[in-house]
Amino acid sequence: EPEVTQTPSHQVTQMGQEVILRCVPISNHLYFYWYRQILGQKVEFLVSFYNNEISEKSEIFDDQFSVERPDGSNFTLKIRSTKLEDSAMYFCASSENQGGNQPQHFGDGTRLSIL
Amino acid sequence: GEDVEQSLFLSVREGDSSVINCTYTDSSSTYLYWYKQEPGAGLQLLTYIFSNMDMKQDQRLTVLLNKKDKHLSLRIADTQTGDSAIYFCAEKGNFGNEKLTFGTGTRLTIIP
Repeated sequence: EPEVTQTPSHQVTQMGQEVILRCVPISNHLYFYWYRQILGQKVEFLVSFYNNEISEKSEIFDDQFSVERPDGSNFTLKIRSTKLEDSAMYFCASSENQGGNQPQHFGDGTRLSIL
Repeated sequence: GEDVEQSLFLSVREGDSSVINCTYTDSSSTYLYWYKQEPGAGLQLLTYIFSNMDMKQDQRLTVLLNKKDKHLSLRIADTQTGDSAIYFCAEKGNFGNEKLTFGTGTRLTIIP
């Protein structure tokens, strides 16, 4: 069964550094998403992306964050000048369309640790 | 804003049924989902239900939706050790609102 893959599984970065999290969505999916889960808290929506542009974003997704689909297969989340509070599990997801009957499928996540 | 709540823990004896409950506040929710997270793994979609349905069954899983009370439950029949995981309820709003709003997750522990 096709799946969403994320790399790396764990990223350790010094505070203030830039980090790029990578995702390969399911190949026929058109909508892509990033969520994060701070330890002990709920999974929170960050951003959705369709047709090479952001379609929806949350208040968390400020100017520090950006997303890109640099080629036909990868979808990336960049965090500029990381802060301690960016430490979290980051999940990528994809779906065929935005209808609820085409659910979002998630990757295994990247654990980001900011030192 | 939208909110989804779940109890944090549930312990069930192997072979019994598990019932995991979820409440939500968004009356415009269109779809509701159950995801499973095993240790070190991602969010695995288990099942989902459209808001105009009140029940959906899929093998050992039964989803019940009470739209009036905004209450969703997941029943796992004949619970097995492999069912040990965190179960997340999530809701999606109207068409055009793409984000999922998740509950806190319920950690299901199976007692041998």
